[in-house]
Amino acid sequence: EPEVTQTPSHQVTQMGQEVILRCVPISNHLYFYWYRQILGQKVEFLVSFYNNEISEKSEIFDDQFSVERPDGSNFTLKIRSTKLEDSAMYFCAPRGSDGYNEQFFGPGTRLTVL
Amino acid sequence: KQEVTQIPAALSVPEGENLVLNCSFTDSAIYNLQWFRQDPGKGLTSLLLIQSSQREQTSGRLNASLDKSSGRSTLYIAASQPGDSATYLCAVISPSNTGKLIFGQGTTLQVKP
Repeated sequence: EPEVTQTPSHQVTQMGQEVILRCVPISNHLYFYWYRQILGQKVEFLVSFYNNEISEKSEIFDDQFSVERPDGSNFTLKIRSTKLEDSAMYFCAPRGSDGYNEQFFGPGTRLTVL
Repeated sequence: KQEVTQIPAALSVPEGENLVLNCSFTDSAIYNLQWFRQDPGKGLTSLLLIQSSQREQTSGRLNASLDKSSGRSTLYIAASQPGDSATYLCAVISPSNTGKLIFGQGTTLQVKP
């Protein structure tokens, strides 16, 4: 299984603060996805990113969220002004050039908003 | 809109039993279906991927089947062990060009020694 790392593993922040979650995929990943899982709930799709632009986003992914791949390596998810309800596990899921084959997930970042 | 449902929500069995977890989806036009395992507070570990043209996939004691026309998949676990205790998630790739996964809520399995 291709190794994907996410940093930090756990982030605690105050409501209204900005957070940046990072994902470091391996070099042949072309498609990037962020998912989140609120405690006890389903894993939900947030956004997909291909060729340096968003290809699809869910209704959860509002103006408070943004994604980028600033250095061609790390893939980041930024939440501009965190809310209590943003507390969740955030998973990065990169995919290679083959679009629809097996999806692997990073270990996740646990975000706690106080 | 694609929706994925898993039943039962929770299952407790004695060690050694064979068991079946169920997954259903509302739109049969899927590209593939994937089963994951999630341990408490941890990430998602891929177990099996079934392409839309396939009927089943096997990995060790796990066997997953797919019936696209009826919108169903099952995950069969043979000779269950306490180490199998976890939440099992199924997810489908919806008919879009982005490859996103749509997840069910999961079945939490407890295998008692």
